[in-house]
Amino acid sequence: DARVTQTPRHKVTEMGQEVTMRCQPILGHNTVFWYRQTMMQGLELLAYFRNRAPLDDSGMPKDRFSAEMPDATLATLKIQPSEPRDSAVYFCASGFDRGGTNYGYTFGSGTRLTVV
Amino acid sequence: GDSVTQMEGPVTLSEEAFLTINCTYTATGYPSLFWYVQYPGEGLQLLLKATKADDKGSNKGFEATYRKETTSFHLEKGSVQVSDSAVYFCALSELLTGNQFYFGTGTSLTVIP
Repeated sequence: DARVTQTPRHKVTEMGQEVTMRCQPILGHNTVFWYRQTMMQGLELLAYFRNRAPLDDSGMPKDRFSAEMPDATLATLKIQPSEPRDSAVYFCASGFDRGGTNYGYTFGSGTRLTVV
Repeated sequence: GDSVTQMEGPVTLSEEAFLTINCTYTATGYPSLFWYVQYPGEGLQLLLKATKADDKGSNKGFEATYRKETTSFHLEKGSVQVSDSAVYFCALSELLTGNQFYFGTGTSLTVIP
């Protein structure tokens, strides 16, 4: 089965350090999302891309978060500097929009980030 | 704006019991509707979907029917198993909002033997 690959699976870092999370979407998918999941807030959309172009990153704290797709096989989410409140599970999802219809997205297994 | 409301959990059922998890939505246009399931320590997996009114999505014994008149997409299963214990998320997406997902808050289901 095709899958979305996220690395690392777990990351523990000290406050103030830079964190980079990576996502390899499924080959042929043209849409990529980044979500953050916490117990308090549930699933929050951080950013999404279609055909590698950023469409919406309004859910992302701009001062410390950045999301990019340097090529079709890689999406990155970076936090600099990290803070304890960034501790969460970060999910990447990819999918294919055809004719305006969403056929469902495939999620990666997530990166569990702990900032101490 | 678009939103999804699903019943609060947690839900605890005995094995072979009937399951219903309610989901209602608000959308600007004509959304596609989804149920995702999340097992402990894993990402979300697409369980079933429906892309237009009166469609029924089904998978692994789960079903949900897209009801436009009641703006609902309730998840049902006739006989749950211990392995169905997970968190279930209702979601919608539509072209008018760029096909991004709007998720409900999730409903935790525990099935006891």
